[in-house]
Amino acid sequence: GENVEQHPSTLSVQEGDSAVIKCTYSDSASNYFPWYKQELGKGPQLIIDIRSNVGEKKDQRIAVTLNKTAKHFSLHITETQPEDSAVYFCAAKAGAGSYQLTFGKGTKLSVIP
Amino acid sequence: EAEVAQSPRYKITEKSQAVAFWCDPISGHATLYWYRQILGQGPELLVQFQDESVVDDSQLPKDRFSAERLKGVDSTLKIQPAELGDSAMYLCASSLMGLRIAFFGQGTRLTVV
Repeated sequence: GENVEQHPSTLSVQEGDSAVIKCTYSDSASNYFPWYKQELGKGPQLIIDIRSNVGEKKDQRIAVTLNKTAKHFSLHITETQPEDSAVYFCAAKAGAGSYQLTFGKGTKLSVIP
Repeated sequence: EAEVAQSPRYKITEKSQAVAFWCDPISGHATLYWYRQILGQGPELLVQFQDESVVDDSQLPKDRFSAERLKGVDSTLKIQPAELGDSAMYLCASSLMGLRIAFFGQGTRLTVV
Protein backbone atom coordinates (compact mmCIF):
# COMPACT_ATOMS: atom_id res chain seq x y z
CA GLY A 1 0.00 0.00 0.00
CA GLU A 2 0.85 3.69 -0.04
CA ASN A 3 3.40 5.06 2.44
CA VAL A 4 3.77 8.80 3.08
CA GLU A 5 6.80 10.24 4.88
CA GLN A 6 6.67 13.82 6.18
CA HIS A 7 9.52 16.07 7.38
CA PRO A 8 10.26 17.84 9.61
CA SER A 9 8.16 16.73 12.56
CA THR A 10 8.52 20.16 14.19
CA LEU A 11 9.35 23.53 12.68
CA SER A 12 9.80 26.92 14.33
CA VAL A 13 10.02 30.11 12.28
CA GLN A 14 10.02 33.80 13.03
CA GLU A 15 6.92 35.71 12.04
CA GLY A 16 7.28 36.91 8.45
CA ASP A 17 9.68 34.15 7.43
CA SER A 18 8.80 31.27 5.11
CA ALA A 19 8.08 27.67 6.14
CA VAL A 20 8.56 24.58 4.00
CA ILE A 21 7.24 21.09 4.76
CA LYS A 22 8.19 18.14 2.59
CA CYS A 23 6.53 14.79 1.91
CA THR A 24 7.45 11.72 -0.11
CA TYR A 25 5.11 8.97 -1.28
CA SER A 26 5.73 5.43 -2.43
CA ASP A 27 2.88 4.55 -4.82
CA SER A 28 3.50 5.91 -8.31
CA ALA A 29 -0.24 5.48 -9.02
CA SER A 30 -1.13 8.19 -6.48
CA ASN A 31 -2.71 11.14 -8.23
CA TYR A 32 -4.11 13.49 -5.58
CA PHE A 33 -2.18 15.24 -2.81
CA PRO A 34 -4.02 17.36 -0.23
CA TRP A 35 -2.62 19.32 2.69
CA TYR A 36 -4.51 19.76 5.95
CA LYS A 37 -4.14 22.15 8.87
CA GLN A 38 -5.19 20.94 12.31
CA GLU A 39 -5.56 23.42 15.12
CA LEU A 40 -5.68 22.31 18.74
CA GLY A 41 -8.95 20.62 19.56
CA LYS A 42 -10.23 20.71 15.99
CA GLY A 43 -10.44 18.32 13.09
CA PRO A 44 -8.15 18.71 10.06
CA GLN A 45 -9.14 21.34 7.51
CA LEU A 46 -8.13 21.23 3.85
CA ILE A 47 -5.93 24.21 2.96
CA ILE A 48 -4.70 23.32 -0.52
CA ASP A 49 -4.51 20.31 -2.83
CA ILE A 50 -2.85 19.35 -6.08
CA ARG A 51 -3.46 16.70 -8.71
CA SER A 52 -0.77 14.76 -10.51
CA ASN A 53 -1.27 16.59 -13.82
CA VAL A 54 -0.14 19.88 -12.24
CA GLY A 55 3.35 20.76 -10.98
CA GLU A 56 2.53 23.74 -8.80
CA LYS A 57 -0.48 25.47 -7.27
CA LYS A 58 -0.68 28.68 -5.29
CA ASP A 59 -3.36 30.25 -3.08
CA GLN A 60 -2.33 33.57 -1.56
CA ARG A 61 0.48 32.81 0.93
CA ILE A 62 0.31 29.04 0.45
CA ALA A 63 1.77 27.04 -2.41
CA VAL A 64 2.27 23.36 -3.13
CA THR A 65 4.77 21.83 -5.56
CA LEU A 66 4.76 18.29 -6.90
CA ASN A 67 7.61 16.31 -8.44
CA LYS A 68 6.10 13.09 -9.81
CA THR A 69 9.44 11.70 -10.96
CA ALA A 70 10.94 11.95 -7.50
CA LYS A 71 7.58 11.20 -5.82
CA HIS A 72 7.69 14.14 -3.49
CA PHE A 73 5.58 17.21 -2.83
CA SER A 74 6.05 20.24 -0.62
CA LEU A 75 4.01 22.90 1.16
CA HIS A 76 5.34 26.46 1.17
CA ILE A 77 3.94 29.13 3.46
CA THR A 78 5.27 32.66 2.94
CA GLU A 79 5.04 35.65 5.26
CA THR A 80 4.09 33.43 8.18
CA GLN A 81 1.78 34.76 10.87
CA PRO A 82 1.13 33.53 14.43
CA GLU A 83 -2.24 32.15 13.33
CA ASP A 84 -0.41 29.77 10.98
CA SER A 85 0.78 27.89 14.07
CA ALA A 86 -0.81 24.42 13.90
CA VAL A 87 -0.08 20.84 12.88
CA TYR A 88 0.07 20.32 9.11
CA PHE A 89 -0.54 16.96 7.43
CA CYS A 90 0.19 15.90 3.90
CA ALA A 91 -1.72 13.03 2.31
CA ALA A 92 -1.83 11.02 -0.88
CA LYS A 93 -4.62 9.20 -2.67
CA ALA A 94 -3.97 6.31 -4.99
CA GLY A 95 -5.35 6.16 -8.50
CA ALA A 96 -8.64 5.03 -9.95
CA GLY A 97 -10.67 2.69 -7.77
CA SER A 98 -9.21 3.87 -4.48
CA TYR A 99 -10.75 6.50 -2.22
CA GLN A 100 -8.34 6.04 0.68
CA LEU A 101 -6.16 8.93 1.80
CA THR A 102 -2.83 7.98 3.39
CA PHE A 103 -1.57 10.69 5.75
CA GLY A 104 1.91 11.67 6.86
CA LYS A 105 2.64 11.90 10.58
CA GLY A 106 2.32 15.67 10.69
CA THR A 107 4.50 18.74 11.21
CA LYS A 108 3.98 21.00 14.19
CA LEU A 109 4.61 24.54 12.98
CA SER A 110 5.25 27.27 15.52
CA VAL A 111 5.41 30.87 14.32
CA ILE A 112 7.22 33.05 16.84
CA PRO A 113 5.96 36.65 17.02
CA GLU B 1 -21.27 27.41 7.50
CA ALA B 2 -21.89 23.71 6.87
CA GLU B 3 -19.99 21.39 9.16
CA VAL B 4 -19.62 17.77 10.14
CA ALA B 5 -21.14 17.26 13.57
CA GLN B 6 -19.81 14.64 15.98
CA SER B 7 -20.77 13.60 19.48
CA PRO B 8 -19.68 13.19 22.13
CA ARG B 9 -16.57 15.39 22.08
CA TYR B 10 -14.94 13.39 24.85
CA LYS B 11 -15.54 9.88 26.16
CA ILE B 12 -13.86 7.99 28.97
CA THR B 13 -14.71 4.32 29.23
CA GLU B 14 -13.40 1.30 31.06
CA LYS B 15 -11.69 -1.54 29.30
CA SER B 16 -14.16 -4.18 28.04
CA GLN B 17 -17.07 -1.77 27.97
CA ALA B 18 -18.99 -0.78 24.85
CA VAL B 19 -18.77 2.72 23.40
CA ALA B 20 -20.47 4.45 20.46
CA PHE B 21 -19.80 7.60 18.48
CA TRP B 22 -22.19 9.53 16.27
CA CYS B 23 -21.59 11.58 13.13
CA ASP B 24 -23.88 13.83 11.10
CA PRO B 25 -22.25 14.73 7.76
CA ILE B 26 -22.67 17.88 5.71
CA SER B 27 -26.10 17.89 4.09
CA GLY B 28 -26.06 16.31 0.65
CA HIS B 29 -22.72 14.55 1.07
CA ALA B 30 -23.12 10.97 -0.07
CA THR B 31 -19.67 9.81 1.07
CA LEU B 32 -18.91 9.47 4.78
CA TYR B 33 -15.61 8.44 6.36
CA TRP B 34 -14.51 7.39 9.82
CA TYR B 35 -10.84 7.95 10.60
CA ARG B 36 -8.82 7.15 13.74
CA GLN B 37 -6.01 9.47 14.79
CA ILE B 38 -3.56 8.26 17.40
CA LEU B 39 -1.79 11.06 19.28
CA GLY B 40 1.15 12.36 17.28
CA GLN B 41 0.16 10.64 14.04
CA GLY B 42 -1.93 11.30 10.98
CA PRO B 43 -5.49 10.01 10.58
CA GLU B 44 -6.02 6.44 9.34
CA LEU B 45 -9.16 5.38 7.48
CA LEU B 46 -11.35 2.90 9.32
CA VAL B 47 -14.40 2.77 7.09
CA GLN B 48 -15.92 4.58 4.12
CA PHE B 49 -19.60 4.69 3.16
CA GLN B 50 -21.21 5.62 -0.12
CA ASP B 51 -24.80 6.39 0.87
CA GLU B 52 -25.72 3.44 3.12
CA SER B 53 -23.21 0.99 1.61
CA VAL B 54 -19.72 0.24 2.89
CA VAL B 55 -17.12 0.99 0.20
CA ASP B 56 -13.97 0.23 2.18
CA ASP B 57 -13.64 -1.31 5.64
CA SER B 58 -10.36 -3.12 5.07
CA GLN B 59 -8.70 -1.35 8.04
CA LEU B 60 -11.64 -1.79 10.45
CA PRO B 61 -10.94 -4.32 13.26
CA LYS B 62 -14.15 -6.18 12.65
CA ASP B 63 -13.89 -8.37 15.72
CA ARG B 64 -14.65 -5.38 17.91
CA PHE B 65 -15.58 -2.44 15.67
CA SER B 66 -18.79 -1.94 13.73
CA ALA B 67 -20.16 0.95 11.72
CA GLU B 68 -23.53 1.66 10.20
CA ARG B 69 -25.23 4.32 8.15
CA LEU B 70 -28.72 2.93 7.92
CA LYS B 71 -30.52 5.70 6.04
CA GLY B 72 -27.49 7.02 4.20
CA VAL B 73 -27.29 10.16 6.33
CA ASP B 74 -25.87 10.02 9.86
CA SER B 75 -23.59 7.24 11.05
CA THR B 76 -22.61 5.41 14.22
CA LEU B 77 -19.26 3.79 15.00
CA LYS B 78 -19.25 1.25 17.83
CA ILE B 79 -16.48 -0.48 19.74
CA GLN B 80 -17.25 -3.55 21.83
CA PRO B 81 -15.32 -4.42 23.90
CA ALA B 82 -13.02 -1.40 24.19
CA GLU B 83 -9.30 -2.05 24.71
CA LEU B 84 -6.60 0.26 26.07
CA GLY B 85 -5.08 0.56 22.59
CA ASP B 86 -8.31 2.06 21.25
CA SER B 87 -7.57 5.36 23.00
CA ALA B 88 -7.43 7.88 20.16
CA MET B 89 -9.32 10.64 18.38
CA TYR B 90 -12.10 9.34 16.14
CA LEU B 91 -12.77 11.69 13.25
CA CYS B 92 -15.67 11.76 10.84
CA ALA B 93 -15.59 13.45 7.45
CA SER B 94 -17.86 13.68 4.44
CA SER B 95 -17.56 14.60 0.80
CA LEU B 96 -19.53 14.80 -2.42
CA MET B 97 -19.37 11.40 -4.15
CA GLY B 98 -15.85 10.54 -2.96
CA LEU B 99 -14.26 13.82 -3.99
CA ARG B 100 -12.08 16.05 -1.86
CA ILE B 101 -12.55 16.06 1.91
CA ALA B 102 -12.65 19.73 2.86
CA PHE B 103 -13.54 19.40 6.53
CA PHE B 104 -13.38 16.82 9.22
CA GLY B 105 -15.57 16.98 12.29
CA GLN B 106 -14.05 18.04 15.60
CA GLY B 107 -13.74 14.41 16.56
CA THR B 108 -14.43 12.30 19.63
CA ARG B 109 -11.50 11.91 21.99
CA LEU B 110 -11.73 8.39 23.46
CA THR B 111 -9.80 7.40 26.56
CA VAL B 112 -9.97 3.76 27.65
CA VAL B 113 -8.92 3.17 31.26
